[in-house]
Amino acid sequence: QSALTQPASVSGSPGQSITISCTGTSSDVGGYNYVSWYQQHPDKAPNLLIYEVSNRPSGVSNRFSGSKSGNTASLTISGLQAEDETYYYCSSYTSSTSWVFGGGTKVTVL
Amino acid sequence: QVQLVESGGGVVQTGGSLRLSCVVSGFSISNYNIHWVRQAPGKGLEWVAFVEDNGRDKQYADSVKGRFAISRDNSKNTLYLQMNSLRVEDTAVYYCAKDRSESYCIDYWGQGTLVTVSS
Repeated sequence: QSALTQPASVSGSPGQSITISCTGTSSDVGGYNYVSWYQQHPDKAPNLLIYEVSNRPSGVSNRFSGSKSGNTASLTISGLQAEDETYYYCSSYTSSTSWVFGGGTKVTVL
Repeated sequence: QVQLVESGGGVVQTGGSLRLSCVVSGFSISNYNIHWVRQAPGKGLEWVAFVEDNGRDKQYADSVKGRFAISRDNSKNTLYLQMNSLRVEDTAVYYCAKDRSESYCIDYWGQGTLVTVSS
């Protein structure tokens, strides 16, 4: 149950697009279309942004999009806004009937 | 609306035990799978445990297997996480969270309860 690999930080200017990667193995990210992404503001509970690789729950901005290629999933934030500056986590279901999270990525809006 | 409210956190010494509670409203726990997820201070999220809606199938992270146990009281719509043989590295905010059916992800989270294990 090793954590998925995310970059520690990603930054961009307002209006730009940024992409956060999430790398796992064939036993998790690569083996299932059950990758999800969460946004977490400091001292708050996480909030679901993307489920099943690329689906957005109702109420989530269409500036957030997800994709997957092989063992790597990605979250793209387009039209970056100041309110997007916070932490993002990926997660995947695994072949061990368990779940694994990524280490988290801090997004900074320059 | 959906609400999950955790309680039972506190300070405990190494080797001690603690039982967390998660009171659910807005849905029946007998209809949905539930997760426990924790977050050590200043660290990332770590999946801890899962119980299926039928209450029979339970899964645990290797880091807590044999020490933590999920149970539930359907009549109170409440889940519990019994934590035994606690270690310093179990110090974290513990979240109770609802599984989004058939999507293998979490769509609602509680506010969390802090467990501090001191040596």
